[in-house]
Amino acid sequence: GAGVSQSPSNKVTEKGKDVELRCDPISGHTALYWYRQSLGQGLEFLIYFQGNSAPDKSGLPSDRFSAERTGGSVSTLTIQRTQQEDSAVYLCASSGQPAGKETQYFGPGTRLLVL
Amino acid sequence: AQKITQTQPGMFVQEKEAVTLDCTYDTSDPSYGLFWYKQPSSGEMIFLIYQGSYDQQNATEGRYSLNFQKARKSANLVISASQLGDSAMYFCAMREVSGAQKLVFGQGTRLTINP
Repeated sequence: GAGVSQSPSNKVTEKGKDVELRCDPISGHTALYWYRQSLGQGLEFLIYFQGNSAPDKSGLPSDRFSAERTGGSVSTLTIQRTQQEDSAVYLCASSGQPAGKETQYFGPGTRLLVL
Repeated sequence: AQKITQTQPGMFVQEKEAVTLDCTYDTSDPSYGLFWYKQPSSGEMIFLIYQGSYDQQNATEGRYSLNFQKARKSANLVISASQLGDSAMYFCAMREVSGAQKLVFGQGTRLTINP
């Protein structure tokens, strides 16, 4: 079956502009995660959605970052007033269960470059 | 707080040799899961193997096995009969079952297989 998909695959933007990154999880997966991978910070957790529960936003680095998940499926990560330090690969993952040993499967990522 | 340590920034091995990638972890949660992911130059994160904290036996998946030493808090990945296609970044990750559902990643090990 289809894996996690993300769009766009690459995004170049100017400092101060807003960007939206999209994630389509594996069909039927109830949990969705956003991570960021940057050279200096490695892989870091941003936000987690599980079903209709309130999302875990504990990893969002600033209030410029927000995310939503519509209909329990597609998710959009929005970065407002982008800064150069936002340049990174943004990875989305999904899993079929909220806890336990359920594996998180990752999408190909969106490479964001802020000029 | 959860922590994952991968002490080998880079490793070089000859094709067909076995290789061990080190991972140590720290957690106060008695129930947790340990994961290994492979990230080739294309950037996708590929799930390799999972070990649960209460699993009695070491996990195996084809040429991958996990050397789980709970008392030492280590979860080393062993790749047998290495192939050129194994050249990639390898990440160890952990998730606490009772805590936040995020994965915490180590800094990664870059493995290069020489012909």
